[in-house]
Amino acid sequence: NAGVMQNPRHLVRRRGQEARLRCSPMKGHSHVYWYRQLPEEGLKFMVYLQKENIIDESGMPKERFSAEFPKEGPSILRIQQVVRGDSAAYFCASSPTRYTPTNEKLFFGSGTQLSVL
Amino acid sequence: QKEVEQNSGPLSVPEGAIASLNCTYSDRGSQSFFWYRQYSGKSPELIMFIYSNGDKEDGRFTAQLNKASQYVSLLIRDSQPSDSATYLCAVKNVGGNDMRFGAGTRLTVKP
Repeated sequence: NAGVMQNPRHLVRRRGQEARLRCSPMKGHSHVYWYRQLPEEGLKFMVYLQKENIIDESGMPKERFSAEFPKEGPSILRIQQVVRGDSAAYFCASSPTRYTPTNEKLFFGSGTQLSVL
Repeated sequence: QKEVEQNSGPLSVPEGAIASLNCTYSDRGSQSFFWYRQYSGKSPELIMFIYSNGDKEDGRFTAQLNKASQYVSLLIRDSQPSDSATYLCAVKNVGGNDMRFGAGTRLTVKP
């Protein structure tokens, strides 16, 4: 039973290019969360998705960032026209149902380290 | 004021000692509290969660919650070098979709 799979593990982009980060949740999980982690900082919530729906994108920058979780295939976090400040580790987490106080577990992927040159 | 605050450390304890990690939060609506461990370059993994005031024990780990003081802590007894990692405190609000994380405390257990 594979865990949350993220790829690529490392992604290098030049300023102005596009970055696509992929996340396949655990089998049976239909809820996906994306977090960003800057060096020496905690995880910052970006977006919460269910299959084909964005539920909460309050943590995502209004410009250049978008996320999707199609009916088939992985969730994608897309960053257009990347800038150096986008360099960070991006973690995806999944849960089997909507996260509630009695459904405590978020399962994290290994993350994608984005480096913008 | 940050929503979830932790002492960044580093916190250094000798092997076999008790490591005490602290966390304060600003939102009184917070309902669920979590401790994650993150090794360098790895993903966070859940260690403990607690909802009610008081202590919750799991093996060498004890989580303590005081909602009146908006304070949650993690005690690690008989610390081992393998416990050396960054420990992230996280809180979740009632009905919220996201979990808010602190910046983490780096713990080093010296043999």
